[in-house]
Amino acid sequence: DVKVTQSSRYLVKRTGEKVFLECVQDMDHENMFWYRQDPGLGLRLIYFSYDVKMKEKGDIPEGYSVSREKKERFSLILESASTNQTSMYLCVVRGGGYTGELFFGEGSRLTVL
Amino acid sequence: AQSVTQLGSHVSVSEGALVLLRCNYSSSVPPYLFWYVQYPNQGLQLLLKYTSAATLVKGINGFEAEFKKSETSFHLTKPSAHMSDAAEYFCAVSGSNSGGYQKVTFGTGTKLQVIP
Repeated sequence: DVKVTQSSRYLVKRTGEKVFLECVQDMDHENMFWYRQDPGLGLRLIYFSYDVKMKEKGDIPEGYSVSREKKERFSLILESASTNQTSMYLCVVRGGGYTGELFFGEGSRLTVL
Repeated sequence: AQSVTQLGSHVSVSEGALVLLRCNYSSSVPPYLFWYVQYPNQGLQLLLKYTSAATLVKGINGFEAEFKKSETSFHLTKPSAHMSDAAEYFCAVSGSNSGGYQKVTFGTGTKLQVIP
């Protein structure tokens, strides 16, 4: 199995602050995703990446950006945090192929005051 | 654009009764479909997946799902509910976006309550 490590489990930030959420996998898989999970809304895709320096917008990219400088690391950036970005953020890595199993990080719970 | 609809955000069943959680999808290409389960205060784990090999898919913990192309459905069932099945269940579809890149879209989830 793939181990997916998210740098911070809990963060509290103030409105307008810049926030970095980092995710590291211990394998060499190409596909990495950032989702946010909110009650009643399920998991919504923010951004995903299929290779180093490559990124694609998901369904709700507004207010977010990403960086993938190395294959094992995928970072989510909130340039100016807002209260509506308070959420649980999940980093996900897909194993090989289109049907590959998804491996989830433990999540980063962000509160923006 | 691909999408997943889960009918019923909350489902309650009695212990020992049939569990039926509904999932309908839309996808422009033959989809790959998944069910994930999330127990309280835990991460998501894979229950089962459909990859076009067989329309009836068996998963862990006695769950199974049937892919019906004509109905664009992938409903999850279990013949007899157990108290330990209480969790939130997510249906997901893996398909291509407009640029041809594979992405995974989740439904909004169904919370299953099992009544003793």
